[in-house]
Amino acid sequence: DVKVTQSSRYLVKRTGEKVFLECVQDMDHENMFWYRQDPGLGLRLIYFSYDVKMKEKGDIPEGYSVSREKKERFSLILESASTNQTSMYLCASSLSRGALVTEAFFGQGTRLTVV
Amino acid sequence: QKEVEQNSGPLSVPEGAIASLNCTYSDRGSQSFFWYRQYSGKSPELIMSIYSNGDKEDGRFTAQLNKASQYVSLLIRDSQPSDSATYLCAFPGGGNKLTFGTGTQLKVEL
Repeated sequence: DVKVTQSSRYLVKRTGEKVFLECVQDMDHENMFWYRQDPGLGLRLIYFSYDVKMKEKGDIPEGYSVSREKKERFSLILESASTNQTSMYLCASSLSRGALVTEAFFGQGTRLTVV
Repeated sequence: QKEVEQNSGPLSVPEGAIASLNCTYSDRGSQSFFWYRQYSGKSPELIMSIYSNGDKEDGRFTAQLNKASQYVSLLIRDSQPSDSATYLCAFPGGGNKLTFGTGTQLKVEL
């Protein structure tokens, strides 16, 4: 079974703090994604990565950065946390199969509260 | 922008009935489609992948894809209270990304 593991299930941080969310997958997937999910807004893509050291902006990258130094690990960084970044953060990974887009598998999610 | 539309619900069905969930998408070229189930406070869980026109069955779940009409549906037979969740459809959103619908909330009532 595919396993995607996020480092924290719940996190409380103060405004202005630098926050690191870590994600590790064990299936040698090329693609990794960070989403946030808010009530009524669905899943919104923050950043994604097709390969080590490669990253691309998603729909809402402002205030975030990412790092992918190893294939299995994809980190989301909140440079200076703000209260509007309080949300559920979901990491996902998927396999590359040429032009065919494959299913994504999600981690358990991190509920981040910024106070 | 590639879009997917789902009725947000809630959709209420009695226990034992068939629940029918629908999703329409904008990109005619899409080749793969996915249904996810998400319980409250949890992350989305993949329940069905479908790549070709027609029906795909897996236990009590059947996914139906109609590329000409650009819709995909999910039927849940013999609905159980444990099926109460939000169901998200997803399809390719450019590159290797998925675009997700906002989800349909299903309530299975005793």
